[in-house]
Formats: sequence, C-alpha cells, structure tokens
Amino acid sequence: GESVGLHLPTLSVQEGDNSIINCAYSNSASDYFIWYKQESGKGPQFIIDIRSNMDKRQGQRVTVLLNKTVKHLSLQIAATQPGDSAVYFCAENIDTGRRALTFGSGTRLQVQP
Amino acid sequence: GAVVSQHPSWVICKSGTSVKIECRSLDFQATTMFWYRQFPKQSLMLMATSNEGSKATYEQGVEKDKFLINHASLTLSTLTVTSAHPEDSSFYICSARDLTGRLAGRREQYFGPGTRLTVT
Repeated sequence: GESVGLHLPTLSVQEGDNSIINCAYSNSASDYFIWYKQESGKGPQFIIDIRSNMDKRQGQRVTVLLNKTVKHLSLQIAATQPGDSAVYFCAENIDTGRRALTFGSGTRLQVQP
Repeated sequence: GAVVSQHPSWVICKSGTSVKIECRSLDFQATTMFWYRQFPKQSLMLMATSNEGSKATYEQGVEKDKFLINHASLTLSTLTVTSAHPEDSSFYICSARDLTGRLAGRREQYFGPGTRLTVT
C-alpha cells in the first residue's frame, strides 16, 4: 500500500564528477518529457525538457538524452556539485488534451564532497 | 517568473476535521492546475486535474467527495480534504501550466512548494 517505504535507487558521486541518471518511461505515445529536481520537503523544480522529435538537448551543465526505441531517458549533470544532491524525477506527457504529467519513480543523487 | 505558491506549507489536524489547501499562480494565469500526492520515498501521484470554471477531473481511486477541488479563478485552486484520517497524511503538491506558454506551445508545468498534512 501507500504506506510501504519504497527505497529510491541512489546514485552516489564525487563532487566534480559527471552524473548520469536514467529513466525508463512507460508510454510509447508520450511526446514530451521533463526532468525535475526535488529537494527534501520541497516541490519539484523544472530542470530541462525535451520533445520526442529530438534525441538530445543541452542546458547549463545538464544534458537530456532521449532514446525512443527503448523508451529511455537520461539526465547528465556535468561537474556535479553538493547542491545537486536531491531526488530526480523524469516525467512524461502526451499532448492529447490531458495535460497531466506521469512521473517516474525517482533517483536519489548523493554528491560526496 | 512562473511562481506557484501553496498555503499552508504544513498543517496538523485532528482526525475527522477538514483542511483546505490553496494553490496560487503568482505571476501567470493557469486555466488548469493539477493536484498531486506524495508519500515518503515515493513518486508524485496525480490526484485530480482542476479546471477553472468547471468540475475537476479525478483519477481512478481518488474520492471526489473526500477531496474537494475548487478552481474559482485563473490564479487560484483549492483542495479541501474532508473528514481527514491519519492515512490522508501526506505531502500535497499542486502544479500549474502557464496559459500564455501553452498557447505558445510550451508544456512545462510549475510546481508549488507543497503542503505537509499530518492527521492525528
């Protein structure tokens, strides 16, 4: 049930290293994807998005890669910093008029100083 | 820009009472807002879609008579947890999509900071 404590997968990296967080999405019809960062006790914060007509998009220190063949999304963070420590969620969306996002299970990133 | 606020940020209430949570888009208009619930160490689960001027759309398994949603304006949606019980204790998060952005083809959603509800 909802009270069961699921353990989020954790990625532990050293400060300064690059991080890669992976996500398998569920719906092959999804055409828009977003990565969110959530710090403890806070709401999700938008990081970067990508549409299905692209396979790569870069932002500041972050890159999102999309592989529609295997329904896989990844977030790469360059030169990871302690402030990057958080839980990262991917979310998918289908532009059918239903505009809600479907969230993945999340990955906890721990940055070791 | 694109700030969403929630009030209160946390609330403790007794079992059987009702609690109202507000979600406001501060610097943009949102015809649609979304309410999510998040249990510890879990992902966000969509509860309902709040539509300005019309009835909310609830996800399967979410009781509409227990979780009352009102979207009275383009900047405010409220979620009322009626007759709250300890199992309703959770982190409730709203999000909104910028109407102007949607018209421009952008689809990102902006999230509020969340409301921690504890029912004793």
